[in-house]
Amino acid sequence: QVQLVESGGGLVKPGGSLRLSCAASGFTFSDYYMSWIRQAPGKGLEWVSYISSSGSTIYYADSVKGRFTISRDNAKNSLYLQMNSLRAEDTAVYYCARISSSWLDYWGQGTLVTVSS
Amino acid sequence: SYELTQPPSVSVSPGQTARITCSGDALPKQYAYWYQQKPGQAPVLVIYKDSERPSGIPERFSGSSSGTTVTLTISGVQAEDEADYYCQSADSSGTLWVFGGGTKLTVL
Repeated sequence: QVQLVESGGGLVKPGGSLRLSCAASGFTFSDYYMSWIRQAPGKGLEWVSYISSSGSTIYYADSVKGRFTISRDNAKNSLYLQMNSLRAEDTAVYYCARISSSWLDYWGQGTLVTVSS
Repeated sequence: SYELTQPPSVSVSPGQTARITCSGDALPKQYAYWYQQKPGQAPVLVIYKDSERPSGIPERFSGSSSGTTVTLTISGVQAEDEADYYCQSADSSGTLWVFGGGTKLTVL
């Protein structure tokens, strides 16, 4: 069965950096686009970024462009999100999700990132 | 930046029909997708490509599209359908994704 497990969340000071990971299993990871989505406490979903199956195509939401970098390692069945220059408004649960055509068919359980001094 | 607009809340009694709308300028060109999220859980896809239902999703969930508005309809609402519902689509170029603000469905 498809499994997506996020890790790497935690408490970080404003201006700091954090790297999230998403370990995928139960499907051929290299065949699928992948995405990061976040949800601030008590708020709605916000799309963050997605990456093509080969890693050659990448898009970001304006709110994170220039600060966050999405990447993947198909040999390790892993998705990453490098987050730099973190701000209080980046505080959220970060989900990784598999993209099927143009929708998100499987989601992980999320990892919490808290940006606070 | 592109936005999708949903009503913050919808309330219905059990057995009635709930309709949740989502409006956006690019919806005539881009498909919409609907996700259900219950407290403490990850979202689950309930409708894709405006009106297609994934396997395992009850038949009472349906979707439709008209111009710049898409609608999620839940017929014969059950208590277990109480959740937040989000629409998702893309901008006119199809490259940048967006979620609606979400609608809290309350079953009275």
